[in-house]
Amino acid sequence: GNSVTQMEGPVTLSEEAFLTINCTYTATGYPSLFWYVQYPGEGLQLLLKATKADDKGSNKGFEATYRKETTSFHLEKGSVQVSDSAVYFCALSDRGQGAQKLVFGQGTRLTINP
Amino acid sequence: DSGVTQTPKHLITATGQRVTLRCSPRSGDLSVYWYQQSLDQGLQFLIQYYNGEERAKGNILERFSAQQFPDLHSELNLSSLELGDSALYFCASSEGSVNTGELFFGEGSRLTVL
Repeated sequence: GNSVTQMEGPVTLSEEAFLTINCTYTATGYPSLFWYVQYPGEGLQLLLKATKADDKGSNKGFEATYRKETTSFHLEKGSVQVSDSAVYFCALSDRGQGAQKLVFGQGTRLTINP
Repeated sequence: DSGVTQTPKHLITATGQRVTLRCSPRSGDLSVYWYQQSLDQGLQFLIQYYNGEERAKGNILERFSAQQFPDLHSELNLSSLELGDSALYFCASSEGSVNTGELFFGEGSRLTVL
């Protein structure tokens, strides 16, 4: 079935560092791809999305490009802040059985130190 | 605030017991999804309802059941509880049955089974 693999965490960086969180997927067809973020004590929130190959999703300084040839959707940010500390989930839309649901990766915990 | 309300926020119970988790979706959203988040399994899709009908089933145990009522709120019933059922249970909602991947998550119900 469809699946998502994320780089294992935790990831710890200093403020203003460059961030990359790797995400690769296995899917039949052409799923949409997403990054969700979970801040401490909260539910998940959509961070960005891309619905077709070569699309770039962006939000709050984060970017990810849908790469069909490498089946990847890596999350990047040029200069992280302490407030970016959270758990990040890569996900794809799974259209099995006529319904759509999201399949999530394991999540990557990011900690940014001042 | 996502607009999705889950109760209770925390629940502690004993093995063998039964609990009910409740979710009120965002106003206007017809689809409700239940996810289980545990340390070893990550975020697992359990079940989806759309306008009162079951639309998709994931890794939901036979001891678990769910339903969506005419007012669109949903309940997840967990019975014969085991230690391994301890987890954070998230409800999410979306506008339609075929979604763009933008799910709105509640803050979760943390279940502890002792």
